Amino acid sequence: SQTIHQWPATLVQPVGSPLSLECTVEGTSNPNLYWYRQAAGRGLQLLFYSVGIGQISSEVPQNLSASRPQDRQFILSSKKLLLSDSGFYLCAWSVGGSGEQYFGPGTRLTVT
Amino acid sequence: AQSVTQLGSHVSVSEGALVLLRCNYSSSVPPYLFWYVQYPNQGLQLLLKYTTGATLVKGINGFEAEFKKSETSFHLTKPSAHMSDAAEYFCAVSEGSSASKIIFGSGTRLSIRP
Repeated sequence: SQTIHQWPATLVQPVGSPLSLECTVEGTSNPNLYWYRQAAGRGLQLLFYSVGIGQISSEVPQNLSASRPQDRQFILSSKKLLLSDSGFYLCAWSVGGSGEQYFGPGTRLTVT
Repeated sequence: AQSVTQLGSHVSVSEGALVLLRCNYSSSVPPYLFWYVQYPNQGLQLLLKYTTGATLVKGINGFEAEFKKSETSFHLTKPSAHMSDAAEYFCAVSEGSSASKIIFGSGTRLSIRP
């Protein structure tokens, strides 16, 4: 069966510090991978998605970047965090078929 | 372009009462439709999906949804609410297997009164 991992689960970082969030998927090959952000009390905002190694599509211009160094690894980064980067970050994967996405447990990021 | 509208950002029902969460979609092609549930501080979990075939779809935890093409709706129902159903619910639409993205609604928070 497929599983998706995200770490860390929670993170408190000062403004201006770097960020690296990691997501890995097990039990599937060549998945589509996604990064979403949820601000407090808000819906989902798609940040990046990837259909293959090294292929990244950005949905929203911002302070963040994403990379996919391996087939089942997706990394979200920032060189300098802003207060507005606080939120709940979700990674998801999908493969063909009907396109439904499966989500990881999320990372709660607080920028202070 | 596809879009999803969830009517009511917050719905409150009594325990044992009918749950009805509304979702309308817009799509230029036959849609694939989904309902997800999110419990506090957790990721989203797929409740059910409609692709093709039977328009009444049954999901986990006693939920079901009916695809009504003429009304462009995909409302989520459960006959009898349980306290554990309190969560955020998201409706979503995709263009099917060729699509790499799905569009999510803004979510409906379901509260259950004892």
